[in-house]
Amino acid sequence: QQQVKQSPQSLIVQKGGISIINCAYENTAFDYFPWYQQFPGKGPALLIAIRPDVSEKKEGRFTISFNKSAKQFSLHIMDSQPGDSATYFCAAYSGAGSYQLTFGKGTKLSVIP
Amino acid sequence: DVKVTQSSRYLVKRTGEKVFLECVQDMDHENMFWYRQDPGLGLRLIYFSYDVKMKEKGDIPEGYSVSREKKERFSLILESASTNQTSMYLCASSFPGGQGIWPLHFGNGTRLTVT
Repeated sequence: QQQVKQSPQSLIVQKGGISIINCAYENTAFDYFPWYQQFPGKGPALLIAIRPDVSEKKEGRFTISFNKSAKQFSLHIMDSQPGDSATYFCAAYSGAGSYQLTFGKGTKLSVIP
Repeated sequence: DVKVTQSSRYLVKRTGEKVFLECVQDMDHENMFWYRQDPGLGLRLIYFSYDVKMKEKGDIPEGYSVSREKKERFSLILESASTNQTSMYLCASSFPGGQGIWPLHFGNGTRLTVT
């Protein structure tokens, strides 16, 4: 059973537009929600992360919005650029559980000029 | 900068061969992980290790084993490679504690093709 559902699977956005990727989880024990960014030919790298005690976290053009009651969180990329074209993975972690992060299946973002 | 190095970028093996994928990290991380990445399936954890000679099964350990004889090195072993093990394999490392405390640092992957 997939514990973190990510959508959409792929996304095409015009340069300057807003990219939005959504994730939903089921396990209420999750207490840390990172996003990883993966460029072609590279391994994923941590982009931004949030804990459920805040509803939003912003780093530059990247913002995580978190809705604890709905068990959903999303990544917003403002003023999307061609250099943002990558695969994005949301993930969730429970401090009460194992060492494992539970990853979503990924979203391939293409930002076209 | 943390560097996680995977020994091969591309690997082609035949069905039934024993395959070794090697990973080395240079940041003295206690935790090391092997993931498999397939289109539409995301990142799936095969095995991880939180100390030398220690290992724990992840979500999809069947058909794989691991070895960690030194802190900086974590090997993934396919005892008898099969075509359904054709995939991108990613190694990662992190400081101790759960993955919610320290970020994962990934290598650039080994694309394994089993024919």
